[in-house]
Amino acid sequence: DIQMTQSPSTLSASVGDRVTITCRASQSISSWLAWYQQKPGKAPKYLIYKASSLESGVPSRFSGSGSGTEFTLTISSLQPDDFATYYCQQYNSSPLTFGGGTKVEIE
Amino acid sequence: QVQLVESGGGVVQPGRSLRLSCAASGFTFSSYGMHWVRQAPGKGLEWVAVISYDGNNKFHADSVKGRFTISRDNSKNTLYLQMNSLRAEDTAVYYCAKDGVVQGWNYMDVWGKGTTVTVSS
Repeated sequence: DIQMTQSPSTLSASVGDRVTITCRASQSISSWLAWYQQKPGKAPKYLIYKASSLESGVPSRFSGSGSGTEFTLTISSLQPDDFATYYCQQYNSSPLTFGGGTKVEIE
Repeated sequence: QVQLVESGGGVVQPGRSLRLSCAASGFTFSSYGMHWVRQAPGKGLEWVAVISYDGNNKFHADSVKGRFTISRDNSKNTLYLQMNSLRAEDTAVYYCAKDGVVQGWNYMDVWGKGTTVTVSS
């Protein structure tokens, strides 16, 4: 099984900050990576697929990059609505696996 | 609009069974793979199972293999998760999710609101 490791697990930031979350795969997954945002008590919301392709309607301040085993999700200017937990997920092979999550908190 | 609505959750004793359902609308259900994903209280997301668009291929996580079975009825636009031999560690919110690619099994682009399963004596 492919293990997905996110860092940091918690991130404290302020509105307007540039934020970067890292996701590492235990083996190469090419670009088969998605990112999700989840707010407390809500279902996850899909943001990015194929490592860097933004879902329609997702603000352009979100971007994804990487390939192989190392990936990043960047929020260029953090907005109040962005405080949430973010998960990466690989779909290179089954079982599909998620990272442990990164909680973005208000500093 | 695309919508997924889960049902069937509840409180159940260890060792008992439960069947979850997910009613889909707003898209061609029979063209997409479907997933179940769960989230234990205060924990991260855990992928549980996937079924292909036609129901011919399924994959279950090791943690549920042999106990849970994913299935679908394309005539009813409904996804199911039969859960047998339930354990305390199966306590979670269970989400139904649509695959993002026609006839694929990849990422999940639409999620239901979830149904809560609590396994407790």
